[in-house]
Amino acid sequence: SQKIEQNSEALNIQEGKTATLTCNYTNYSPAYLQWYRQDPGRGPVFLLLIRENEKEKRKERLKVTFDTTLKQSLFHITASQPADSATYLCAPGSGGYNKLIFGAGTRLAVHP
Amino acid sequence: DVKVTQSSRYLVKRTGEKVFLECVQDMDHENMFWYRQDPGLGLRLIYFSYDVKMKEKGDIPEGYSVSREKKERFSLILESASTNQTSMYLCASTEAGRPDSTFGSGTRLTVV
Repeated sequence: SQKIEQNSEALNIQEGKTATLTCNYTNYSPAYLQWYRQDPGRGPVFLLLIRENEKEKRKERLKVTFDTTLKQSLFHITASQPADSATYLCAPGSGGYNKLIFGAGTRLAVHP
Repeated sequence: DVKVTQSSRYLVKRTGEKVFLECVQDMDHENMFWYRQDPGLGLRLIYFSYDVKMKEKGDIPEGYSVSREKKERFSLILESASTNQTSMYLCASTEAGRPDSTFGSGTRLTVV
């Protein structure tokens, strides 16, 4: 069955450093992959989408890569800030009705 | 600003009760989804709808039903609530042909 793996352990980094989160998937060939941010007690918020024919996508301090050979996406936040502390979810997707499969998420804590 | 509104943030119900969770979106989106989120398991799709009066089962539909009588409203129904349905429930919508989802703030349901 399709499986999405994100590091279940929290990632603790110092303010100003680059945070790198990993999303691996198996038994799946998604047409695209999305990243969402989720704050405690709130719904996820869409951040970035990368398609299977794109290697890299950037938005401000965010960068996403998508390696269909490795079946992996990396999500980078450069010059991280305490306000970036949240849980980040990856969601590969395909199909006509935009059905997504979500990973369990990785919690990021950025310390001053 | 586009919005998905869930009627309750917190809900406590008794075992065996029939429970209605309401979701309304103001973006004229065709697709609507209901997920539940449990620690360590990520978001799991319960049901989705791609049009008024249309519904499709997701990955965990047992014990749930849905109703979509109007385009903007998608209701999740727990026919007879059980304690294992205690969870965070998230509603989302997407525009046809676009994969990025807009989520509501969630309803934390406790069944006692």
